[in-house]
Amino acid sequence: AQTVTQSQPEMSVQEAETVTLSCTYDTSESDYYLFWYKQPPSRQMILVIRQEAYKQQNATENRFSVNFQKAAKSFSLKISDSQLGDAAMYFCAYRMDSSYKLIFGSGTRLLVRP
Amino acid sequence: EAGVAQSPRYKIIEKRQSVAFWCNPISGHATLYWYQQILGQGPKLLIQFQNNGVVDDSQLPKDRFSAERLKGVDSTLKIQPAKLEDSAVYLCASSLAMGFEQYFGPGTRLTVT
Repeated sequence: AQTVTQSQPEMSVQEAETVTLSCTYDTSESDYYLFWYKQPPSRQMILVIRQEAYKQQNATENRFSVNFQKAAKSFSLKISDSQLGDAAMYFCAYRMDSSYKLIFGSGTRLLVRP
Repeated sequence: EAGVAQSPRYKIIEKRQSVAFWCNPISGHATLYWYQQILGQGPKLLIQFQNNGVVDDSQLPKDRFSAERLKGVDSTLKIQPAKLEDSAVYLCASSLAMGFEQYFGPGTRLTVT
């Protein structure tokens, strides 16, 4: 069974600094997708970034980028120039290419210090 | 474009009572998902609809949970009777079709006492 592990329950970063959130996953599949979602106190999950496993190039969305290491089954999120609005729960998620079910990790709470 | 709407936002009930949640997906979205998010955990898929048909309900506790999407638009999720361990946030999401980006609603926080 596929599993997603986020080993950092909470992380803290100074405003304008860079922080990296870790995620590892376990799968025997070769084709899949990985996601990072942000969940602010309003509870609404927002897609931050997405990575297709067949792509070697790491995905980037403005201040957000990933380090995808397929062999190591690692998928970390780097947030550059952190802003107060980045404070939220961040969830790593996995989806098989042949399935549409998202499997989430337990989340990392990101605190941003002014 | 209006997002996914859910109601109520909060609900408190006693164990053994019944409760229903409502979800209105983004217009035109064929696929609808219900997730359960227990405090301190990531969301877990309960059921997935494609139009008004069930695609996956393998993690739905069918002895007490039921869901329907009769006209392929709105959906309701019901719990009867509720247990203490059902306390969670229930998230609804929709996507244009299976495999497309999922858009989430604000969720309903259920507290069972």
